Amino acid sequence: QSVSTRPPSVSAAPGQKVTISCSGSSSNIGNNYVSWYQQVPGTAPKLLIYDNNKRPSGIPDRFSGSKSGTSATLDITGLQTGDEAYYFCGAWDNSLGAGVFGGGTKLTVL
Amino acid sequence: EVQLVQSKTEVKKPGESLTISCQASGYTFSNYWIGWVRQMPGQGLEWMGIIYPGDSDTRYGPPFRGRVSFSADRSTRTAYLHWSSLKASDTAIYYCARRLGLDYLAFDFWGQGTVLTVSS
Repeated sequence: QSVSTRPPSVSAAPGQKVTISCSGSSSNIGNNYVSWYQQVPGTAPKLLIYDNNKRPSGIPDRFSGSKSGTSATLDITGLQTGDEAYYFCGAWDNSLGAGVFGGGTKLTVL
Repeated sequence: EVQLVQSKTEVKKPGESLTISCQASGYTFSNYWIGWVRQMPGQGLEWMGIIYPGDSDTRYGPPFRGRVSFSADRSTRTAYLHWSSLKASDTAIYYCARRLGLDYLAFDFWGQGTVLTVSS
């Protein structure tokens, strides 16, 4: 996969902070915007972050995104049980001429 | 209120053709790209491609080129995803979504998904 999300799974307690990483290359993350999605099983994905670090209306500032070089990160602070979901990153890939998503990270809030 | 409403669950046989739909409301349909995303059972998200209803400009992801086609009808504010010959490996949930801004992967509103099962 040209973009990968790490770790594959992560667990943390309510109130804590987690960081999810997205690793790519110069053909995708290095030269294009990164988006982040949350997907609760059985529901459609929800956009959390776009253009590397912008939040759509209604997304709390507990969710923040950043990018450096060919990697991006999603930070979630003040974890809540409702944050338990899968998280995906995505970016355009210039070599493929298509969008690519990372494989996803499963977040468990203990 | 922006909404994307997709067509119902489909059960088809290999070799059959199929078109699923995504009807938009609450915004100017012609002005926003509509993307299609596949999610195979228990798997992650796959970017299938994107269409601009204003002029039907399209982009397809490499695995989907020649396998599917997109179209859009501005009069009914509906986007379509079409297969001419289904395979068992097309079994998945298919989502349509509205693209936000300049980022091809930023989709701010999503349909509820259409579940497709292809089995003999």
